[in-house]
Amino acid sequence: EVQLLESGGDLVQPGGSLRLSCTTSGFNFRTYAMSWVRQAAGKGLQWVSTISASGGNTHSADSVKGRFTISRDNSRNTLFLQMKTLRAEDTAIYFCAKARVPVEYSSSSDYWGQGTLVIVSS
Amino acid sequence: DIVMTQSPDSLAVSLGERATINCKSSQSILYRSDNKNYLAWYQQKPGQPPKLLIYWASTRESGVPDRFSGSGSGTDFTLTISSLQAEDVAIYYCQQYYGDLHTFGQGTNLEIK
Repeated sequence: EVQLLESGGDLVQPGGSLRLSCTTSGFNFRTYAMSWVRQAAGKGLQWVSTISASGGNTHSADSVKGRFTISRDNSRNTLFLQMKTLRAEDTAIYFCAKARVPVEYSSSSDYWGQGTLVIVSS
Repeated sequence: DIVMTQSPDSLAVSLGERATINCKSSQSILYRSDNKNYLAWYQQKPGQPPKLLIYWASTRESGVPDRFSGSGSGTDFTLTISSLQAEDVAIYYCQQYYGDLHTFGQGTNLEIK
């Protein structure tokens, strides 16, 4: 059974940093691209970042570029999102999601975690 | 960046009736080399993560009821629910995965009339 479990969400002050983790099981993690998607309260889904299966190709939304870094540890089946210089508008539930197609960067996402809540507030 | 625009923002349909949601991309998301449209549809219910319904614009994910169908090509796409059931009340999102940035539409809130 495919499982994705996010952790690391917390209350943090503006300008602060946080690292989110997504621990996975039930599939060959190193074969699939992975993504982070966020959702502010009462708002729509916002794609944040995607990383290729090998970790060699990453892209992020303009709103987080230069502040957020996606990475992965294929030996630990874990995805990360390092978040720096956090702003109030980064407050959201952060979901990790697995690509549906192996190897390919460009894929829909077939499995999602339940999300972890990040609150940026003083 | 590719911008995805859904219409309408909100939709109320009677049980058993057809629901149609539209999604338009700011540029073509049809990849000529494999003739596939890089578009997915997701359903999200309150307090839950999104659920994949449709990929490649028209391929139904395993386990998704056949009342859900996707169509369209290039820049214009449609999600159709042929006979609305109570459990279909949700917010529906389209997403393109053609570009490096995999943007979502703003969502369509589907309710029962």
